[in-house]
Amino acid sequence: DTAVSQTPKYLVTQMGNDKSIKCEQNLGHDTMYWYKQDSKKFLKIMFSYNNKELIINETVPNRFSPKSPDKAHLNLHINSLELGDSAVYFCASGTGDSPLHFGNGTRLTVT
Amino acid sequence: SQELEQSPQSLIVQEGKNLTINCTSSKTLYGLYWYKQKYGEGLIFLMMLQKGGEEKSHEKITAKLDEKKQQSSLHITASQPSHAGIYLCGAGSSSNTGKLIFGQGTTLQVKP
Repeated sequence: DTAVSQTPKYLVTQMGNDKSIKCEQNLGHDTMYWYKQDSKKFLKIMFSYNNKELIINETVPNRFSPKSPDKAHLNLHINSLELGDSAVYFCASGTGDSPLHFGNGTRLTVT
Repeated sequence: SQELEQSPQSLIVQEGKNLTINCTSSKTLYGLYWYKQKYGEGLIFLMMLQKGGEEKSHEKITAKLDEKKQQSSLHITASQPSHAGIYLCGAGSSSNTGKLIFGQGTTLQVKP
């Protein structure tokens, strides 16, 4: 059983389009995260939600809007995609000090 | 803000050789996590260290956290091709939000 699953795995789209990435976790964790991994493999946090409430927003452009319908889901919607948005986006979940569990990533390519 | 520096950034070793990856923090670490990433896959949790001087091992991988809790090392003994991937160290935050800050990663290649 997949613990943290995100879809789609690959996403290729043109500049200016709007796209969404979905994430679901079945671990019962209270907190979910979105991370962005750039071409140099640097992994940086974007957002964190705890029980559907936004607790971390790391100065991400307003074009990125996370939505958490319940504590098991955290989706990421991106408006007006730009070339610089191309990256691998990882969803993760966790609770307390326990290690974060990561999804397999969504590779977004903006052309 | 806290920063993590990993060294080396990349490493190529012959199968069977030992290797060490270092992770240095600009501030005291509140929990240090080691992950491994294979291409096209997510991050796999390896080990978590919280106490100064702590050392943990899993199979042929050993991780240590120094007494001052500002540096950690990951040591692989008798490396195998299956060890290849990107190794990332992550630090927990003092505010206990669960958020992890990551180093830039170390890419390991193991030649058969």
